[in-house]
Amino acid sequence: QKEVEQNSGPLSVPEGAIASLNCTYSDRGSQSFFWYRQYSGKSPELIMFIYSNGDKEDGRFTAQLNKASQYVSLLIRDSQPSDSATYLCAVNGEGSYIPTFGRGTSLIVHP
Amino acid sequence: EAGVTQFPSHSVIEKGQTVTLRCDPISGHDNLYWYRRVMGKEIKFLLHFVKESKQDESGMPNNRFLAERTGGTYSTLKVQPAELEDSGVYFCASSQYRAGELFFGEGSRLTVL
Repeated sequence: QKEVEQNSGPLSVPEGAIASLNCTYSDRGSQSFFWYRQYSGKSPELIMFIYSNGDKEDGRFTAQLNKASQYVSLLIRDSQPSDSATYLCAVNGEGSYIPTFGRGTSLIVHP
Repeated sequence: EAGVTQFPSHSVIEKGQTVTLRCDPISGHDNLYWYRRVMGKEIKFLLHFVKESKQDESGMPNNRFLAERTGGTYSTLKVQPAELEDSGVYFCASSQYRAGELFFGEGSRLTVL
């Protein structure tokens, strides 16, 4: 069974710091990787996707993918209290277009 | 542009009753997905429609769950009869392309007493 693992947290960081969120996956053939952000009581929204090994940057967000280690991470630079939310890692397994989600990591950015 | 809308936002029913959840996807999105999140667990896939056709229903837990998408527009998910373990948040998502970005609704919270 394909699995996506995340530390549920909460991860607490001070305002202005770098928040590092990690995710591992079991399906070695996985091709597409997504990070969704979910505020309490709201719908998940896509913030980053990555398909190739390496880093992908978008504003304060950087996604990092290492397929050999089956590891994907999300870095948030200059963290703000408004970044406080649950971050969901989602992975499309080999040959699949259906994302499998992790449990999510709760991030708290304190002033 | 309207997002994915779900109704009701919260439903409380007794074990053995029937509940029908509705999802209106973003206009023009052929792909519609149902997911469920049970407390403390991950969001789990239930099924996927392309237009009115079920493409993948491998995540449906049992035959008490019935999903439909007549006409390829809105979708309904009926639970009959409901059991205690069906409690959770049911999310609907839509996308324009397969393997593309999923746009989620805010979910329908189901509580079975």
